[in-house]
Amino acid sequence: QQQVKQSPQSLIVQKGGISIINCAYENTAFDYFPWYQQFPGKGPALLIAIRPDVSEKKEGRFTISFNKSAKQFSLHIMDSQPGDSATYFCAAVPAGNKLTFGGGTRVLVKP
Amino acid sequence: GAGVSQSPSNKVTEKGKDVELRCDPISGHTALYWYRQSLGQGLEFLIYFQGNSAPDKSGLPSDRFSAERTGGSVSTLTIQRTQQEDSAVYLCASSLAQAFYGYTFGSGTRLTVV
Repeated sequence: QQQVKQSPQSLIVQKGGISIINCAYENTAFDYFPWYQQFPGKGPALLIAIRPDVSEKKEGRFTISFNKSAKQFSLHIMDSQPGDSATYFCAAVPAGNKLTFGGGTRVLVKP
Repeated sequence: GAGVSQSPSNKVTEKGKDVELRCDPISGHTALYWYRQSLGQGLEFLIYFQGNSAPDKSGLPSDRFSAERTGGSVSTLTIQRTQQEDSAVYLCASSLAQAFYGYTFGSGTRLTVV
């Protein structure tokens, strides 16, 4: 039972383009939505996170958009760079509990 | 320490043998989590510790898997009678009391059962 569904599974974008990754959740008890970035051979690292009381959060080239009524959120990577090539995981957590991860999106940025 | 440390980084074992995977969390992090990541797959939750207690063991796939945490710090994940389907990267993460603060992951232990 997948509580957080992530798409696409993989994504190829040209340098300077926009990468968009989408996630949908079912559990309305989720109240924290982080995104993690994972490079090969490394553990995932927290990239950016949002609470459901805001609709958008931006940090540098990374933006989370959140639609509470649709139970969807997305990550936009603006001006994508080859160094952004990694696997990205969305996640969700209810208060005081464990993270539930989406299936991951492998992003390849071509120079 | 500065980060979450896992050892060994790689482990190759024969089918049927027992293995122990170790996790040293960030000092002061009371919550500790084990996840499993199979090749090209997402992260599968295994077990969660708060202090030395494990309030959520719901992700352990079978009774061959067990984990303990001592002194509110180091945790060991033990897999008995390993099977080929146990081959994966086992990731440990720690956080302050609630996941709201964000997990810090270790680099994982890559387990290969041959």
